[in-house]
Amino acid sequence: QLLEQSPQFLSIQEGENLTVYCNSSSVFSSLQWYRQEPGEGPVLLIALYKAGELTSNGRLTAQFGITRKDSFLNISASIPSDVGIYFCAGLNDYKLSFGAGTTVTVRA
Amino acid sequence: DAGITQSPRHKVTETGTPVTLRCHQTENHRYMYWYRQDPGHGLRLIHYSYGVKDTDKGEVSDGYSVSRSKTEDFLLTLESATSSQTSVYFCAIGGTVFPNTGELFFGEGSRLTVL
Repeated sequence: QLLEQSPQFLSIQEGENLTVYCNSSSVFSSLQWYRQEPGEGPVLLIALYKAGELTSNGRLTAQFGITRKDSFLNISASIPSDVGIYFCAGLNDYKLSFGAGTTVTVRA
Repeated sequence: DAGITQSPRHKVTETGTPVTLRCHQTENHRYMYWYRQDPGHGLRLIHYSYGVKDTDKGEVSDGYSVSRSKTEDFLLTLESATSSQTSVYFCAIGGTVFPNTGELFFGEGSRLTVL
């Protein structure tokens, strides 16, 4: 796998924060975070383009590492609809490579 | 709704038979992709296209071929299906500003079972 994600599984209590990590030995021109719900294709959450970039989208915050090889995604104050599989994906030469995914469950 | 239709959505076939999956887009976008999704592996790129009759291999292209004779259609063919090709196959298209952004729009997937 070109991109390594951790953890593979994450079970959290509603209201807690969660963080997913992504790293690679390859450099990417941009890095994205996607979420997939059961029976559907992945949907883009956040995109990162510059080294060191920190971006927020509501309760989601993500940062692109200064070496352009790693990233994290943080979700604050989790809610039940945050469940799903979270993927990081790196773009190079028109090809988007995905990590293996992190499965998130939220306990009420 | 990104205007992507995959067909068939479900298929069961036998080892050694040919299978073709179709991806149809209504957006007239240049870049189209085929991925397979398997537990523990995420999404792996099979083939992609950057224009009519312009295609290239991804990381897991062995046993697969593609064709794109029209902008709107991208076909994935398994010439002789094997059980290891049992998977969920996703088509994706790059949006208007792709590849400046990394956003791909995905279809709903095609579940293929090879017995």
